[in-house]
Amino acid sequence: QVQLQESGPGLVKPSETLSLTCTVSGDPITDYQWSWIRQPPGKGLQWIGGVHYSGSTNYHPSLRSRASISLDTSMNQISLRLTSATAADTAVYFCGRGGYSPDHWGQGTLVIVSS
Amino acid sequence: DIQMTQSPSSLSASIGDRVTITCRASQDIGNFLAWFQQKPGKAPKSLIYGASNLQSGVPSRFSGSGSGTEFTLTLSSLQAEDFATYYCQQYDSSPYDFGLGTKVEI
Repeated sequence: QVQLQESGPGLVKPSETLSLTCTVSGDPITDYQWSWIRQPPGKGLQWIGGVHYSGSTNYHPSLRSRASISLDTSMNQISLRLTSATAADTAVYFCGRGGYSPDHWGQGTLVIVSS
Repeated sequence: DIQMTQSPSSLSASIGDRVTITCRASQDIGNFLAWFQQKPGKAPKSLIYGASNLQSGVPSRFSGSGSGTEFTLTLSSLQAEDFATYYCQQYDSSPYDFGLGTKVEI
């Protein structure tokens, strides 16, 4: 059974880069596409972007200029970088198996953007 | 972008009730529609993909229907563990946006 675990700093200063890692066990990441989704406190879900096992990526237009998703096949990890963070990026960040609509999700990690 | 409109935003129901949630897309998305269940403090759980296909392990009291622009999620007999927030998501074209959610409560 595939398992996904997000990790990274829980607190990021405004204007800095938010960096998260999703470690996958139970499946080689080269067998699937993967996505990142976030949820601001008390709000709904927002698809951030996805990555194909070839490394090709697709992002939400509102985040395309700041987001970057990549694969580390040696570590079986998917990474998310979001530059120029603001308070509006405060959210629980989830990684998921599936580039568009995940069938398996990590438990999520809360990132607060604050000075 | 395709807009996804869920209704109602919340509903009150009792154990054993039949519950229906509607999701409308702003343009034709075929059957590229998924439903998720989320409980407080937990990750969403995939229930249905392709508008009507149950994910493995999802109880048969859940069902999905529809195509094009109008879709429904039906819970045939509400159980205690079904009280949660439900989201639809289109994955026909990027960005793969979600509806705003329907909270099912007692």
